[in-house]
Amino acid sequence: AQSVTQLGSHVSVSEGALVLLRCNYSSSVPPYLFWYVQYPNQGLQLLLKYTTGATLVKGINGFEAEFKKSETSFHLTKPSAHMSDAAEYFCAVTHSGGYQKVTFGTGTKLQVIP
Amino acid sequence: NAGVTQTPKFQVLKTGQSMTLQCAQDMNHEYMSWYRQDPGMGLRLIHYSVGAGITDQGEVPNGYNVSRSTTEDFPLRLLSAAPSQTSVYFCACGRLATEAFFGQGTRLTVV
Repeated sequence: AQSVTQLGSHVSVSEGALVLLRCNYSSSVPPYLFWYVQYPNQGLQLLLKYTTGATLVKGINGFEAEFKKSETSFHLTKPSAHMSDAAEYFCAVTHSGGYQKVTFGTGTKLQVIP
Repeated sequence: NAGVTQTPKFQVLKTGQSMTLQCAQDMNHEYMSWYRQDPGMGLRLIHYSVGAGITDQGEVPNGYNVSRSTTEDFPLRLLSAAPSQTSVYFCACGRLATEAFFGQGTRLTVV
């Protein structure tokens, strides 16, 4: 069984401040981890992913995440928030057994305050 | 190259009506899935397919049917719509253990 917990359904940051969105996972096998972003009235698009190899993963729009096995975490960060980062962010987990068994977190809405 | 196309974008149904949500992809991906998105619940998997002729149930399959006669198409059928099926539905495709590519969604209201 696998699961994802996203701490904080809403996060507010000031423009230019650090963005930190938390994701913890549970998986009985080595996980593949993803962060997706959803802008209003749109589908989800991939920000970044971890499968194997380097544990610090860089994605689009200046985001990055670090896979920490000991903490079962995959937190998403960005050094300086931009107004265009306001969106909902979803963490997801699967494993090498197949893409279709993807479990999503409940999402975190990021608000960026000017 | 359109990616994943869902139709319609919006739909209002009366309780008990049936309808089909269409999903088509031009990425030649083996895997296709249907999710529903409800506030505070993330995305929940309804049905998925690992290739033409092969489908399986996800987390919340009741009230929905799917079929996969071609690689490109994966329609979702609501057999007898209920207010609990009011949601935003997303179709996605992908390859094994890689990211999913999502359509723009269908916003369904059942009254």
